[in-house]
Amino acid sequence: SQQGEEDPQALSIQEGENATMNCSYKTSINNLQWYRQNSGRGLVHLILIRSNEREKHSGRLRVTLDTSKKSSSLLITASRAADTASYFCATDERSSNTGKLIFGQGTTLQVKP
Amino acid sequence: DVKVTQSSRYLVKRTGEKVFLECVQDMDHENMFWYRQDPGLGLRLIYFSYDVKMKEKGDIPEGYSVSREKKERFSLILESASTNQTSMYLCASSLGDWTAQFFGPGTRLTVL
Repeated sequence: SQQGEEDPQALSIQEGENATMNCSYKTSINNLQWYRQNSGRGLVHLILIRSNEREKHSGRLRVTLDTSKKSSSLLITASRAADTASYFCATDERSSNTGKLIFGQGTTLQVKP
Repeated sequence: DVKVTQSSRYLVKRTGEKVFLECVQDMDHENMFWYRQDPGLGLRLIYFSYDVKMKEKGDIPEGYSVSREKKERFSLILESASTNQTSMYLCASSLGDWTAQFFGPGTRLTVL
């Protein structure tokens, strides 16, 4: 099965800086989603971008999708200490209609105050 | 807001015990999912259900079974717990295919 892969695995920045995380996947998709997970908690949905969209914004989040390269990036602008978490991309499989998502391994972001 | 609740945050069981993990969602979602999350392995799908009494195997169903008798409730059953089932278990639900999934807080299960 396909697997999203995030890059980098870990990222440490200062508060106020921007954080960029990348995700690559292998097969055709209907949409790509980004989730956040605080330590020891469940995942929280951040944003969904459809395969026919190239860019999407939500507050301080900006997501891009390049289906020709099978890649996506998540940009968090003006980061805050509260943004410290793990971030996962998740993709479906266009050939499947089950609603299953395949999650990447995640990027662990640390924002230092 | 969608709320997904899981019966326990922490659970300690002994090898061979039968374990029930329950998940309830309050938004009339069609799809429900059970994942386990382990360091270095990410989230792996165990089972999912797209309707009452319907279930589909995920990527790692061995050693697990599920039950969905009511739309809002999806139970994960470990028939005979083993130490390699020590993990964080996450339940999720979604309205339909290719939509956002909403996760519960997770159950950290330790099998001794």
